[in-house]
Amino acid sequence: AQSVSQHNHHVILSEAASLELGCNYSYGGTVNLFWYVQYPGQHLQLLLKYFSGDPLVKGIKGFEAEFIKSKFSFNLRKPSVQWSDTAEYFCAVNAQGTYKYIFGTGTRLKVLA
Amino acid sequence: DSGVTQTPKHLITATGQRVTLRCSPRSGDLSVYWYQQSLDQGLQFLIQYYNGEERAKGNILERFSAQQFPDLHSELNLSSLELGDSALYFCASSALQGRSGNTIYFGEGSWLTVV
Repeated sequence: AQSVSQHNHHVILSEAASLELGCNYSYGGTVNLFWYVQYPGQHLQLLLKYFSGDPLVKGIKGFEAEFIKSKFSFNLRKPSVQWSDTAEYFCAVNAQGTYKYIFGTGTRLKVLA
Repeated sequence: DSGVTQTPKHLITATGQRVTLRCSPRSGDLSVYWYQQSLDQGLQFLIQYYNGEERAKGNILERFSAQQFPDLHSELNLSSLELGDSALYFCASSALQGRSGNTIYFGEGSWLTVV
């Protein structure tokens, strides 16, 4: 069965610090990968996605993620975080050809001004 | 604004009651997904419909049911409510039937509080 692990449940950083959030999935086949962000009191919004091609994907607001197939990982990065990046971040996996999108438990990021 | 509309935004009800949550997908989207988000369980997939038919089922309780109507809006029915059903219920929609490369877009959610 598919599963997604986000190992960091809570992360606290100061502004301008670099960010890396881990995401590992369990599935042997071809996958589509997503990162969503949920700002306080809001719905989930797509940050970036990987379907195929270049494993380094750039998203909105300066975020990027790298798909490493051998490690079953899709870590999210940002070189310099801002206070406005305070939010919860969800990694999601969709096995190609299936209807289910499995989400990780989320990582709550707090950026201190 | 994702284009996915959910009502009501907030709902408070008593244990044992039944509620209906409504979702209108983005214009043109045929697939609708329901998710439950709670503090202890995270974001859990409940069920998915495509063009009126159930296509995938996740961790949905037997007390819960859903349907998608010919106009593509969907309803999630929650009955015999328990305190533990208090959560944020998200609807999401996508254009295609889970085909590779598809993205799902979320509504703002319906906050359900069971007292």
